[in-house]
Amino acid sequence: AQSVTQPDIHITVSEGASLELRCNYSYGATPYLFWYVQSPGQGLQLLLKYFSGDTLVQGIKGFEAEFKRSQSSFNLRKPSVHWSDAAEYFCAVGARNAGNMLTFGGGTRLMVKP
Amino acid sequence: GAGVSQSPSNKVTEKGKDVELRCDPISGHTALYWYRQSLGQGLEFLIYFQGNSAPDKSGLPSDRFSAERTGGSVSTLTIQRTQQEDSAVYLCASSLEGLAFGEQFFGPGTRLTVL
Repeated sequence: AQSVTQPDIHITVSEGASLELRCNYSYGATPYLFWYVQSPGQGLQLLLKYFSGDTLVQGIKGFEAEFKRSQSSFNLRKPSVHWSDAAEYFCAVGARNAGNMLTFGGGTRLMVKP
Repeated sequence: GAGVSQSPSNKVTEKGKDVELRCDPISGHTALYWYRQSLGQGLEFLIYFQGNSAPDKSGLPSDRFSAERTGGSVSTLTIQRTQQEDSAVYLCASSLEGLAFGEQFFGPGTRLTVL
């Protein structure tokens, strides 16, 4: 079965600084990979996804993520963080051949300092 | 168009009571999922419906949990004899078809508190 680890429970960055949120997965083949954001009181919103092809994927709100097969990672990055980016971020894995559910990491809560 | 809607947004119940949570998926989406988000934990898959196929119930934590989907649209998650550990946010999501075809769109969730 697949699993997802987000090693950082909390991260605080200054506004304008760069951001990298880590995600490591465990799965026997190439998975579907997703990043979702959950703002306070809001539902989950998809930031970006990787299915195949180019390993660097662009998402909404200026986010990008890179799939690195050798490291089993799918880290989320943003070059310059805005105060509105403060939220909880979830990495998720979907298995290509074993059901259609998503397996989520524990989430990383991002706080942005002015 | 409208997104995924869930009702109620909040539910407080007493231990031992039954509760029903409702999900209205996006029109035309054939796949529907239920997840649970407990405090301090990530999202946990509960159950998946795809069209008229038998649901994937592999994530349901106990036989107190059940779900149905009527007419391929609205779904109801039922928790019988609620326990305090059932307190969580229950999220519903829908997608056009299965995971291979695109993203899951999530509703705002129902926050369940079992006293």
